[in-house]
Amino acid sequence: QKEVEQNSGPLSVPEGAIASLNCTYSDRGSQSFFWYRQYSGKSPELIMSIYSNGDKEDGRFTAQLNKASQYVSLLIRDSQPSDSATYLCAVHSGYSTLTFGKGTMLLVSP
Amino acid sequence: DGGITQSPKYLFRKEGQNVTLSCEQNLNHDAMYWYRQDPGQGLRLIYYSQIVNDFQKGDIAEGYSVSREKKESFPLTVTSAQKNPTAFYLCASSTGGNGYTFGSGTRLTVV
Repeated sequence: QKEVEQNSGPLSVPEGAIASLNCTYSDRGSQSFFWYRQYSGKSPELIMSIYSNGDKEDGRFTAQLNKASQYVSLLIRDSQPSDSATYLCAVHSGYSTLTFGKGTMLLVSP
Repeated sequence: DGGITQSPKYLFRKEGQNVTLSCEQNLNHDAMYWYRQDPGQGLRLIYYSQIVNDFQKGDIAEGYSVSREKKESFPLTVTSAQKNPTAFYLCASSTGGNGYTFGSGTRLTVV
C-alpha cells in the first residue's frame, strides 16, 4: 500500500518567516513529486514539481527531495497571509495515479 | 484558455436519486480522474481513465459509475447505491508523468 504522510498541522508562522512543510512516502520506487496548494472551499492548484534529488526553486517556493530518506519538503520564504492554505504532497510511483497526502494546513499571521 | 470545466458547482440530491457530474477538458490530456474530498480528509480516488472507452476503479468506486466516450469528457454518476454521497467532488486530468490539473469542483449535498 503506497502511503504519503504529512503532519496535519496547523503550522503557524508569522508574516515574513519561512514556512517548512514536510512529506514522507513509502514507495521507494517513486519518481515524481508534487506540491499542491488548496484554499478553503477551492480545488487544489499545482505549485511545484520535483523529479530529482536536491532543491528546485521557483520564486518564494523551494522544493527539496531526498530519495534516500524518502522525504520531500516545501519551503515558503517571506510567508504572506495569502499563503494560508492547505498544502498537499503528491507522489507518482510509476503507477497510473498520484497518491496524495492528507495535507498540512498553514496559517500565516500578519 | 485550456482548462477543466466541472458543472454544476453545487448539486442537491434527493434520497434514491441518481445524479451526474460533468467534467470536460480542452487540454488534450489522455488521462482523467475523479476524486472525492470530505472535510478534513485527503483526496480519495473514485475512478480513472487513461484512454477513451477504458476506465478503472479507484479506492472507493462502489456506488459510482463513469463513462469515457470522448477524450474531452469524463462524467461521473452518483447512484442511489452510494449511501453517503455528500462531499466535494474533484475532476482532474494529466498527460505523461506530469502533475494533475484540477477542475473547480462540484459540491454535492443530499437533501
